[in-house]
Amino acid sequence: KNQVEQSPQSLIILEGKNCTLQCNYTVSPFSNLRWYKQDTGRGPVSLTIMTFSENTKSNGRYTATLDADTKQSSLHITASQLSDSASYICVVSGGDPGGYQKVTFGIGTKLQVIP
Amino acid sequence: DGGITQSPKYLFRKEGQNVTLSCEQNLNHDAMYWYRQDPGQGLRLIYYSQIVNDFQKGDIAEGYSVSREKKESFPLTVTSAQKNPTAFYLCASSISTDYNEQFFGPGTRLTVL
Repeated sequence: KNQVEQSPQSLIILEGKNCTLQCNYTVSPFSNLRWYKQDTGRGPVSLTIMTFSENTKSNGRYTATLDADTKQSSLHITASQLSDSASYICVVSGGDPGGYQKVTFGIGTKLQVIP
Repeated sequence: DGGITQSPKYLFRKEGQNVTLSCEQNLNHDAMYWYRQDPGQGLRLIYYSQIVNDFQKGDIAEGYSVSREKKESFPLTVTSAQKNPTAFYLCASSISTDYNEQFFGPGTRLTVL
């Protein structure tokens, strides 16, 4: 069964500090892994995408890593800002190339940045 | 201004009533999706459509129905058969189902009174 597990479930950090969110998955065959940011009451917005051959991808203060061997990913947020307060969702896609891609969503990590 | 829109943002209905949630996109995407989001759970797929006049059941289709008469529109009807309809509903679209960067709408929060 395809699963995506995220940790921690929630996190509170001080503004300006760094943090790292974790994602473990058991999706097979693997196509790509995305991190989404979801503000409360809004739709998710894509931050990064990584395929099997990529092990790091940055988007501003967000840096995602992928270890396809251990099936783990992390999202590192540098110099956090109050606007980073949101849920961060790990999403893994899998399926045969050119075919329907089954998408599995993690529950998300709820991050709160406080002044 | 390209994007995906959902309406209304908040919706209240009485038990036993059907209700239709709107989803429109002007991204020229072939594929569209409906998800349900509940506290403590990841997004769950209700229905998806790969192309106009075609749609497939997702993981939790019972009590829901959809149509895809136009490329840009994918409305979701929550029927009275859905036993626990109160949730946050998200619509998404992508170029195709085998290129699945999904763009999400702002969501509709449905509350059954």
